[in-house]
Amino acid sequence: DAGVIQSPRHEVTEMGQEVTLRCKPISGHDYLFWYRQTMMRGLELLIYFNNNVPIDDSGMPEDRFSAKMPNASFSTLKIQPSEPRDSAVYFCASSSLQTRDIQYFGAGTRLSVL
Amino acid sequence: DQQVKQNSPSLSVQEGRISILNCDYTNSMFDYFLWYKKYPAEGPTFLISISSIKDKNEDGRFTVFLNKSAKHLSLHIVPSQPGDSAVYFCAASVLWAGGTSYGKLTFGQGTILTVHP
Repeated sequence: DAGVIQSPRHEVTEMGQEVTLRCKPISGHDYLFWYRQTMMRGLELLIYFNNNVPIDDSGMPEDRFSAKMPNASFSTLKIQPSEPRDSAVYFCASSSLQTRDIQYFGAGTRLSVL
Repeated sequence: DQQVKQNSPSLSVQEGRISILNCDYTNSMFDYFLWYKKYPAEGPTFLISISSIKDKNEDGRFTVFLNKSAKHLSLHIVPSQPGDSAVYFCAASVLWAGGTSYGKLTFGQGTILTVHP
């Protein structure tokens, strides 16, 4: 298996622009997680899905952030409009019921909002 | 409220010696603990875990110890190798509680381990 695939790897945008981050989980995994990593706050869980349904979005910082999972093999995290304080590395991870809490992470998307 | 804390931002160790990374937690409901390792420009990768019913788990050079009364866990790496240089994250999860807690990990801030040749 190719593992969790995230795109793009790097994104540079200007304040006010819309940003869309993409994630393809490991085939057969039924849990998908979006995290944000910053120096100040470390790794924060933003939202997670089970069987394509959002279960907990309490970590989503503001209404500017939204996430979707239209099918089992694809998810997006959208920021609109983007702000400089959104600059961070965003990770997607997936897991299965059998492996419980062992999550498999993608390589991340480094977002810079100028 | 930081429920999982790694108080040492960095640790430097000589090759061949023991590395000890520490983690404290505050939520007594946590029942499963994990360590992840992260290299630059990569995502975190699972290293080793321990259930709250155990106090030790070993996997090769890596051993995790859990002290529930102190709400403390540690990762021992013996012997340390230069390839172990990475950021190490401690993570914890809560008992299944009707579905909303499953698989939800709370991470510490991470400790940068540098192993010198």
